Formats: sequence, C-alpha cells, structure tokens
Amino acid sequence: EVQLVESGGGLVQPGRSLKLSCAASGFTFSNYYMAWVRQAPTKGLEWVASITNSGGSTYYRDSVKGRFTISRDNAKSTLYLQMDSLRSEDTATYYCTRDLVALDYWGQGVMVTVSS
Amino acid sequence: DVVMTQTPVSMSVSLGGQVSISCRSSQSLVHNNGNTYLSWYIQKPSQSPQLLIYKVSNRFSGISDRFSGSGSGTDFTLKISRVEPDDLGVYYCGQGTQYPFTFGSGTKLEIK
Repeated sequence: EVQLVESGGGLVQPGRSLKLSCAASGFTFSNYYMAWVRQAPTKGLEWVASITNSGGSTYYRDSVKGRFTISRDNAKSTLYLQMDSLRSEDTATYYCTRDLVALDYWGQGVMVTVSS
Repeated sequence: DVVMTQTPVSMSVSLGGQVSISCRSSQSLVHNNGNTYLSWYIQKPSQSPQLLIYKVSNRFSGISDRFSGSGSGTDFTLKISRVEPDDLGVYYCGQGTQYPFTFGSGTKLEIK
C-alpha cells in the first residue's frame, strides 16, 4: 500500500524557515517524480514544486522560487521541502504527492501557519 | 501559465442523478509526446485530494465506472452517473502537461 506521511509543519514567524518531510512507503521511491501541492485555508489547490526521480531536476512556481527548495533522499525514501523567508501568503496545508502521469497518491497534509 | 477554468462553481444533485463538470484550459494540453495530461481529483470533506481520472479518460485504480472523463485539446468534461452520497466533495481538474502544474478552482458537489 502506498503511503505518504508528511511532518514538520507548525507556526512560524514571517521571514523564518521551516523544513517539511514526507516519508514514503509501499513503492520504489527512487522510480518516481514527486511533488508538493498546497492549499490555503478555504482555497483551492496550488502546485508548489516538483522533483525528478533522481533529484537531478527541480521545478518551482514563481512565487516560491529562490525561497523554497525541494529535495529527496532516495536511500531514506523521503521527500523534503525547505522553506525560507516565509510569508503570510505561504500559510497552507502542504501535501506530498507522487507524480506519475498525474498526482496519483497524496499524503494527509501538514499545516504551515506563518504569523507573528 | 495555463489557466484552468472550471464550471459550475457548485451544483446540487439528487441521489441517482447525473452531473457534468466542465474544465477548459487557456492553451492546448497536448504534450510534445502526444499525451494529454488532464486529470480530475475529488477532495471529500476533511480529506486529502484523491485522483479519479488521468490522461483525460483513464480511471485510476479502484475508481467506479460511474466516473468518466472525456475531451481533447482545451475542452474537457467529467461525468458522474448514478450519484451516491459518498460522491459529495469538491472536484478539481488539473493539468500536468507543462510546469507550473495548474488546477481549476473547483466544483462543489452537494447532494439534494
């Protein structure tokens, strides 16, 4: 059974950093692209970043470029999202997703609140 | 960026009825490799989104044949037949043809 379990969320002040993790199991992690998608409270879905299966290429939405870094450790079957210079508009639930022709499996999500 | 326009914003349907949700993209979703990466997702109340349909018309594993997707180019439709109580939630279309991936704003399905 495919499982994606996010952790690392919480309340953080504007300008500070936070690192999210996503532990994957039930599939060969190193064979799949992965992505982060977020959802602000009462809003729709917003893709944040993607990474190829090897980690050799990464892609970001413009609003997080230069502030967020997606990475992975295939030996640990874990996906990461390093978030720096956080802003109030980054407040959202962040979902880890597997990317295979579509975002086929999603984690339960982790809440990130950016507020002073 | 590809803009995904979904209609209607919300709809109410009787149990056993049928609904159609429209999704239009601001540019063609046909990838250079010939595939069209248009997907449909449902987010049930207090749950994570789940994949229903991928590449326009392919049902994901375990998805009922009451769900069907169709369309091409820039115009796509999700149909749900014989609506059941468990179908309530917000439906999103999404494109994975080009970065940044984008989603429609969602269609909320309510059961009468």
